[in-house]
Amino acid sequence: GENVEQHPSTLSVQEGDSAVIKCTYSDSASNYFPWYKQELGKGPQLIIDIRSNVGEKKDQRIAVTLNKTAKHFSLHITETQPEDSAVYFCAAKGDTGRRALTFGSGTRLQVQP
Amino acid sequence: SAVISQKPSRDICQRGTSLTIQCQVDSQVTMMFWYRQQPGQSLTLIATANQGSEATYESGFVIDKFPISRPNLTFSTLTVSNMSPEDSSIYLCSSRLATDTQYFGPGTRLTVL
Repeated sequence: GENVEQHPSTLSVQEGDSAVIKCTYSDSASNYFPWYKQELGKGPQLIIDIRSNVGEKKDQRIAVTLNKTAKHFSLHITETQPEDSAVYFCAAKGDTGRRALTFGSGTRLQVQP
Repeated sequence: SAVISQKPSRDICQRGTSLTIQCQVDSQVTMMFWYRQQPGQSLTLIATANQGSEATYESGFVIDKFPISRPNLTFSTLTVSNMSPEDSSIYLCSSRLATDTQYFGPGTRLTVL
């Protein structure tokens, strides 16, 4: 089945700096890659997603890139703010009959004011 | 998008008892899932809730321990049966739209004494 690896497990940046989180996946048939932000005591919130027919997608300060050949995708947050501090999860959805998302292990992002 | 509510939001239970968690979605979704998230960990899929039929369980999860119902397109329940302290976790309901976009509820925080 699908395996998703996520790095780093923790990331500390200064306010205003950029943050990059990287994920790799194993199933070349995977075609949908969402990113979730989870704040303490809350459920995961979808922040951006990308499909396999697109290489990059942006939404204000957040962008996701996908390299299908290398089977990796990344989340980029620019001009980080303290409210960006949270745990971020990447996920992948395969196209082999198993219809649920497989999640990475998570990255705890701390933005220092 | 889909807005998902869960009840209860948290509970403290005695070992050997059972707890039923309810999940309500505000729109008709194609699929509903139940996940478990242990403290500081990623999300693990328990099962896919199928409308009008038995749920599809992932390896390591069985119907006797986690019975699931989904009587219609917008409602599902998960029961955690014969609980032990190892069942202490966050239980998350999730729903998917036809676009593959998947949303999560706020979670139910369960503590078993």
